[in-house]
Amino acid sequence: DAKTTQPPSMDCAEGRAANLPCNHSTISGNEYVYWYRQIHSQGPQYIIHGLKNNETNEMASLIITEDRKSSTLILPHATLRDTAVYYCIVRPFNTGKLIFGQGTTLQVKP
Amino acid sequence: DGGITQSPKYLFRKEGQNVTLSCEQNLNHDAMYWYRQDPGQGLRLIYYSQIVNDFQKGDIAEGYSVSREKKESFPLTVTSAQKNPTAFYLCASSMGRGSPFTDTQYFGPGTRLTVL
Repeated sequence: DAKTTQPPSMDCAEGRAANLPCNHSTISGNEYVYWYRQIHSQGPQYIIHGLKNNETNEMASLIITEDRKSSTLILPHATLRDTAVYYCIVRPFNTGKLIFGQGTTLQVKP
Repeated sequence: DGGITQSPKYLFRKEGQNVTLSCEQNLNHDAMYWYRQDPGQGLRLIYYSQIVNDFQKGDIAEGYSVSREKKESFPLTVTSAQKNPTAFYLCASSMGRGSPFTDTQYFGPGTRLTVL
């Protein structure tokens, strides 16, 4: 299973863009990158996923490098409610399993 | 309101007792999952089911049991054989159809189990 590496914590000023990096150097060609976030004591919330191309939805943008070895989740205008643990996950191609690592704790500050 | 419900939010049990956690979804999803989360840790897969009357063990199935008699329900029983049952338990579901590469899982609010 491809592993991911994320910084343990990051800070961001409210209203600014939050850029959360993720390394996944062993990713296989048919494995997707998923991002979830978890606000304290709640279930994880799906944010976005992608394979090769950059993706954008109402919550965030996902930028995947051309070699697919890393990606960045962008929250364009962070709010205090975006404070959470953000998980970058590489989805194994042959199972429905999501492998959660330690994630990045994003603290959005006023 | 469509979604996944887990009840209760908090659950307390005495050591040695079996306890069953409820998970219901009205999203018409075929696949359902159970995860466990310990403090400061990511989620670990306990069991999953891709279709009614069928389920598979995840990474940490020992001491747990499940059933999938109805599409919308996937209860998890924490048995007395589970050595460290105190944890946050999360249920998820996904469409389960089409490519497994893109089958997005959606999570319920979780049940926090404390064994005294």
